Amino acid sequence: EPEVTQTPSHQVTQMGQEVILRCVPISNHLYFYWYRQILGQKVEFLVSFYNNEISEKSEIFDDQFSVERPDGSNFTLKIRSTKLEDSAMYFCAINNGLLHLEFSYNEQFFGPGTRLTVL
Amino acid sequence: LAKTTQPISMDSYEGQEVNITCSHNNIATNDYITWYQQFPSQGPRFIIQGYKTKVTNEVASLFIPADRKSSTLSLPRVSLSDTAVYYCLVGITGNQFYFGTGTSLTVIP
Repeated sequence: EPEVTQTPSHQVTQMGQEVILRCVPISNHLYFYWYRQILGQKVEFLVSFYNNEISEKSEIFDDQFSVERPDGSNFTLKIRSTKLEDSAMYFCAINNGLLHLEFSYNEQFFGPGTRLTVL
Repeated sequence: LAKTTQPISMDSYEGQEVNITCSHNNIATNDYITWYQQFPSQGPRFIIQGYKTKVTNEVASLFIPADRKSSTLSLPRVSLSDTAVYYCLVGITGNQFYFGTGTSLTVIP
């Protein structure tokens, strides 16, 4: 199973500040995703990223959000001006987009998450 | 996207078989059905995936009837460590993964 790490594990920030959440897949993958989960609520899709560009995004992913893969390895989610309601767990996920003996096209591997707290 | 409906919660005693059913009446022809498990403060973890009929792996079985409008995740002989939220998802690609509210399973000693 591919390994995904996320940093930091917990980020506390003041409202209006910018935060950058990082995802580091251990092996090369084609598809990257960000999800968020507000405490006690369901996991919500934010954005998918393929071939260095956004593939799909949800209504949540507005202009204050951006993603990039600056060095070909780390996959980052930037929130430009955080709001109180951005407080949530943010999960990165990866997928190699291919049928494989071990896992199939729809299987996404999730990282441990970053807990973002906006004060 | 096919919307999924699952029971909000279920309780089971240790050692019993647990079946969680998910309804997805609007499933499209190319959609796969995937189940994830999530423990508190952790990312979802893949359990099993199928397209039709029955799929079994070392963790669970997935039963899908011919019309594919529902699916049932079967967990054999659950233990306390199986207490978690279980999500049913349907989708055609890895690009769109929309989680429902899931089923919170509590395993009782």
